[in-house]
Amino acid sequence: QSALTQPASVSGSPGQSITISCTGTSSDVGGYNYVSWYQQHPGKAPKLLIYDVNTRPSGVSNRFSGSKSGNTASLTISGLQAEDEADYYCSSYRTSGLVFGGGTKLTVL
Amino acid sequence: EVQVLESGGGLVQPGGSLRLSCAASGFTLSGNAMNWVRQAPGKGLEWVASISGSGGSIYYADSVEGRFTMSRDISKNTVYLQMNSLRAEDTALYYCAKDNSWLVLERWGQGTLVTVSS
Repeated sequence: QSALTQPASVSGSPGQSITISCTGTSSDVGGYNYVSWYQQHPGKAPKLLIYDVNTRPSGVSNRFSGSKSGNTASLTISGLQAEDEADYYCSSYRTSGLVFGGGTKLTVL
Repeated sequence: EVQVLESGGGLVQPGGSLRLSCAASGFTLSGNAMNWVRQAPGKGLEWVASISGSGGSIYYADSVEGRFTMSRDISKNTVYLQMNSLRAEDTALYYCAKDNSWLVLERWGQGTLVTVSS
């Protein structure tokens, strides 16, 4: 079960927008609208940010948004804040279960 | 408040067994899918297993299929992960997570650490 492909790191300055990509195949990301995104701060449990490609759970800031095109999903964070510095993981449904991306470390400069 | 609390981690020798527990509070397991996800030290998230809300379907990652067994006890509102034939590569922080439908992990515990070493 190969992991989804994410960039190892991205960075941005406060107030800017950044996008994290998540590339899979037609058997996962491209085949279903069941992509989720999670945020994980050091030493903490992951937190659900986005599910079903672009749905935010109650309480998640609208600065976080998701999209998908073909086999690639994206997470966009607008108006970067220092507290956004964390690791971000995508996940996708596939017929054999769930697959995660390798994770992306976001640095706020 | 919806919470999940993992327990049962520890140090075990290669080839040994361990059973993890995940106690749910603030909701009932009946009708709610549950998941186990692990994270090796300094590494990313890896899905391990999931059980459907009815309890009738259980899925495993290839890496643990045949060695790990996920189950639940509705009367105790607790989910379990029985881990047999443990290997060094199973060393990780094991998270339990409540699903909001199927394979959307909306509430995570703080994890329980499993170390496989001689």
